[in-house]
Amino acid sequence: DIQMTQSPSSVSASVGDRVTITCRTSQGIGFYLAWYQQKPGKAPKLLIHSASRLQSGVPSRFSGSGSETDFTLTISSLQPEDVATYYCQQAIDFPYTFGQGTKLEIK
Amino acid sequence: EVQLMESGGGLVQPGRSLRISCGASGFNFDDYAMHWVRQPPGKGLEWVSGINWNSGDIGYADSVKGRFTISRDTAKNFLYLQINSLRTEDTALYYCAKDLYPELRKRDNVFDLWGQGTMVTVSS
Repeated sequence: DIQMTQSPSSVSASVGDRVTITCRTSQGIGFYLAWYQQKPGKAPKLLIHSASRLQSGVPSRFSGSGSETDFTLTISSLQPEDVATYYCQQAIDFPYTFGQGTKLEIK
Repeated sequence: EVQLMESGGGLVQPGRSLRISCGASGFNFDDYAMHWVRQPPGKGLEWVSGINWNSGDIGYADSVKGRFTISRDTAKNFLYLQINSLRTEDTALYYCAKDLYPELRKRDNVFDLWGQGTMVTVSS
């Protein structure tokens, strides 16, 4: 199975800050990585797929980059509504595995 | 409205069985692969199983292989998960999720629509 490692496990930042979350995979997956946002008590929401393709309706302050084993989710200017846990997911093969999550809070 | 709605969860004793369901509406159900993803209380996401558009390709996580069976009824627009030999570690919120594509192993199988989940609690 492909192992996913996210860092940091939690982050606290101020409104307007630039926030970066990283995801590392145990083997190369090309560009086949997705990012999800899960707000407390809610289902996950797809933000980005194919490493950098923004899902329809997702604010442009979210962006993704990377390839093979190293990927990044960036929020260019943190907003209060971005408080959530963020997960990466490899989309190349069974079993589709997720990172352990990064909890984002506002300072 | 485009939505998925899970049902059938509950409190079950270890070793027993349960079938959970997911009704789809607002999109062409038979055009997409579907998945089950679970989340134990306070923990992260785990992909459980996926099925392609015509039930011709199915996959399972190793942790559930041989105990769980995924199926779909395209006439009714329903996805199912039969869960047998339940264990305490199966306790989780089970989400139904729609794939971007009709086929599995597409190399971009991601989940663009999720239900609200149905809770399965395994306890004596």
